[in-house]
Amino acid sequence: EVQLLESGGGLVQPGGSLRLSCVASGFTFSTYAMSWVRQVPGKGLEWVSSFRSYDGSTFYADSVKGRFTISRDNSKNTLFLQMNSLGAEDTAIYYCATERYCSGDSCHWDHYLDFWGQGTLVTVSS
Amino acid sequence: DIQMTQSPSSLSASVGDRVTITCRASQDISKYLAWFQQKPGKAPKSLIYAASSLQSGVPGKFSGSGSGTEFSLTISSLQPEDFATYYCLQYRSYPPTFGQGTRLEIE
Repeated sequence: EVQLLESGGGLVQPGGSLRLSCVASGFTFSTYAMSWVRQVPGKGLEWVSSFRSYDGSTFYADSVKGRFTISRDNSKNTLFLQMNSLGAEDTAIYYCATERYCSGDSCHWDHYLDFWGQGTLVTVSS
Repeated sequence: DIQMTQSPSSLSASVGDRVTITCRASQDISKYLAWFQQKPGKAPKSLIYAASSLQSGVPGKFSGSGSGTEFSLTISSLQPEDFATYYCLQYRSYPPTFGQGTRLEIE
């Protein structure tokens, strides 16, 4: 059974930093591109960032580019999101999700964000 | 960025009804379209990928169709557990973008 468990959320002051973690189990973590998606409580979903496994490429939403850094430790089956210069607009529930299965030098095109964690709440407030 | 316009934003229906939600992409996304269901306080759940492929374990009452710029999600024989918010997502190119969501409520 695929499981994704996020942690690291909490209350942080504007301008502060936070590091989110997502521990994966039930699948071969190293073969999956992984993503972070966020949701302001009561609002819609917003993709934040992705890490493509086979070539190490990273992608970011314009709203977080230059402030957030996605990384992973395949030896620990863990995905990270380092968040710096946080503002009130970053207050949200942050979900990690499996993006795509990748093998060799390419990723399967069809499946996308099949599995999600339960989310961790980040609140930016003074 | 590719914009996804989802309609309606809310929908009232009764148990046993059949409903359809639509998503329009601002440019051709082929079949790079997924549908998700989200219940209050829970993470989104994948229903459909590649526009029309049913995710493993998802009941056949959910079906997706479309390609290019026009897509739809149909839910037949609504049951109480189907009342939730539904989102479409395009993943043809970065950044992947979600529709605004459709809140399906009991009439």
